Amino acid sequence: QQQVKQSPQSLIVQKGGISIINCAYENTAFDYFPWYQQFPGKGPALLIAIRPDVSEKKEGRFTISFNKSAKQFSLHIMDSQPGDSATYFCAASRSDYKLSFGAGTTVTVRA
Amino acid sequence: DAGVIQSPRHEVTEMGQEVTLRCKPISGHNSLFWYRQTMMRGLELLIYFNNNVPIDDSGMPEDRFSAKMPNASFSTLKIQPSEPRDSAVYFCASSSQEGNTEAFFGQGTRLTVV
Repeated sequence: QQQVKQSPQSLIVQKGGISIINCAYENTAFDYFPWYQQFPGKGPALLIAIRPDVSEKKEGRFTISFNKSAKQFSLHIMDSQPGDSATYFCAASRSDYKLSFGAGTTVTVRA
Repeated sequence: DAGVIQSPRHEVTEMGQEVTLRCKPISGHNSLFWYRQTMMRGLELLIYFNNNVPIDDSGMPEDRFSAKMPNASFSTLKIQPSEPRDSAVYFCASSSQEGNTEAFFGQGTRLTVV
């Protein structure tokens, strides 16, 4: 069964808008929550990651919000650009090797 | 560093044939993962090696799949015999064990079994 549930499956946003992707998990032992970005024909690449001792982490236009009590975390892409058009995967692990990935969200940024 | 290198990039084979996918991890990384990506099942971990030793192969679909890591710089994933349902993109990823669980992915091998 999927240990990390991700939504929406796809979204379209105008250039300059905000993209929001949500993930939820059940396993309270998870303590590492990365987001991966994947372009067509490429492997996933780490975008940003958070550990549960903080509620928010920002790197440039990308922000992770983390709600430990709700077992949810989300990715916000501010000022979305056409170059951000990609598939985004949330993931979770227990600081060991086994990343459990969400199903992915395809983001399309319209110019 | 060139990153994780996978070969071939594309493979088309007939059902019943043996397929071997290859991976060269990033130098110095001692953890290696094989993932499979399909539309239906997303990204699935097939097998994980640490210091060349298979630690968890619970994701390997069945006995037709096997993986080896004879040394720190090379791994193979073999499917014998291949079936159409094995068609997918197979990714190799590596990571270091310095408290950083970031996994670096290769560009993948797109396998088509006809």
